[in-house]
Amino acid sequence: QVTLRESGPALVKPTQTLTLTCAFSGFSLSTHGMCVSWIRQPPGKPLEWLARIDWDDDKHYSTSLKTRLTISKDTSRNQVALIMTNMDPLDTATYYCARMTISDTNFQYWGQGTLVTVSS
Amino acid sequence: EIVLTQSPDFQSVTPKEKVTITCRASQSIGRNLHWYQQKPDQSPKLLIKYASQSFSGVPSRFSGSGSGTDFSLTISSLEAEDAATYYCHQSNSLPYTFGQGTKLEIK
Repeated sequence: QVTLRESGPALVKPTQTLTLTCAFSGFSLSTHGMCVSWIRQPPGKPLEWLARIDWDDDKHYSTSLKTRLTISKDTSRNQVALIMTNMDPLDTATYYCARMTISDTNFQYWGQGTLVTVSS
Repeated sequence: EIVLTQSPDFQSVTPKEKVTITCRASQSIGRNLHWYQQKPDQSPKLLIKYASQSFSGVPSRFSGSGSGTDFSLTISSLEAEDAATYYCHQSNSLPYTFGQGTKLEIK
């Protein structure tokens, strides 16, 4: 059974750095073809894809946010982290992690999401 | 970056009505288009993958069609539980993108 769970601070101040963690089970990110993405959704707004990390440590980022994002994995702990620098109130959103595979490139498994509010 | 434009943004529909939501891509994406349903305060759920393949466990009233730049999601006979926002998503090329969403309200 595949599960994912996001965790991180609920509140960050403008200009601070956000670190989120996605803890998963039911698969290994060392298995060929496995990928984990981060997706966010501001309140009342659409989904926005942020980043993806692959089983071979290949990384891909949103064009508009790539200078602020770093995605990484800890295969031994079954975790993926997302770091976002220079947080702004416009970054207030629910942040999701989701799994796909390189041969089935849709998001079949999602975490429950974690709401991050950016406010002073 | 590929832009996905959904239509309509909002629709108020009666139970048993047939509903069609469209998604247009700014360039050809083959059949690399997927549909999700999101209910309030829930994570999105995959309905249809690769334009027309039903995901496991999804009711048969949901179907998808299209290829290239034009796609549609059809609910053949709407049920009250289908009140949700629906999103299309392209995986043809990175960065992945989503449509702006279509909110279905049940009258």
